[in-house]
Amino acid sequence: NAGVTQTPKFQVLKTGQSMTLQCAQDMNHNSMYWYRQDPGMGLRLIYYSASEGTTDKGEVPNGYNVSRLNKREFSLRLESAAPSQTSVYFCASRGDREDYEQYFGPGTRLTVT
Amino acid sequence: ILNVEQSPQSLHVQEGDSTNFTCSFPSSNFYALHWYRWETAKSPEALFVMTLNGDEKKKGRISATLNTKEGYSYLYIKGSQPEDSATYLCAFMIYNQGGKLIFGQGTELSVKP
Repeated sequence: NAGVTQTPKFQVLKTGQSMTLQCAQDMNHNSMYWYRQDPGMGLRLIYYSASEGTTDKGEVPNGYNVSRLNKREFSLRLESAAPSQTSVYFCASRGDREDYEQYFGPGTRLTVT
Repeated sequence: ILNVEQSPQSLHVQEGDSTNFTCSFPSSNFYALHWYRWETAKSPEALFVMTLNGDEKKKGRISATLNTKEGYSYLYIKGSQPEDSATYLCAFMIYNQGGKLIFGQGTELSVKP
């Protein structure tokens, strides 16, 4: 099992460009999450999807959109990238029970110039 | 606004020292408290998920306790080793919110040989 995979690993964008970060999991998990990690801030939740076909905002959703394409895949889109979106982005998934641990992908390091 | 605080922010110890960190979280609407270990250039990995007041969990030299009434959890490492060097994150899970986690900013542990 690959667990949670993310592509790309690194990306540099210019202000105003758009891109989609891809995430997939092979653990048959219902719930998936997107976080961003900034120095001194820990992990902050951008969006999450409790099940296929549903998505909800987290703490910092502005400037992002998500798509839960199917049970395996959950993508994060930046429509018009801004320097404030320079960050490391982590995708995670979780099994059926709410108190189960989350499994994280390897992260995408995004720089917006 | 829900806040999860971790202290200290960073800790430098010698190999063989025992150490502990604190995680403070809201005592209302508690569902679970997670601890994750995050090594540089890797993904966070779950150490413990704790749900009951008075819970104590142990994994090798690492253990954790939970007090939901006063809103804190301690993580202990006995006889620190250089391979324990990592950032330790705690995360508070709110009841009935789709498994959303609110993360603290982390405690960065450095263990010198």
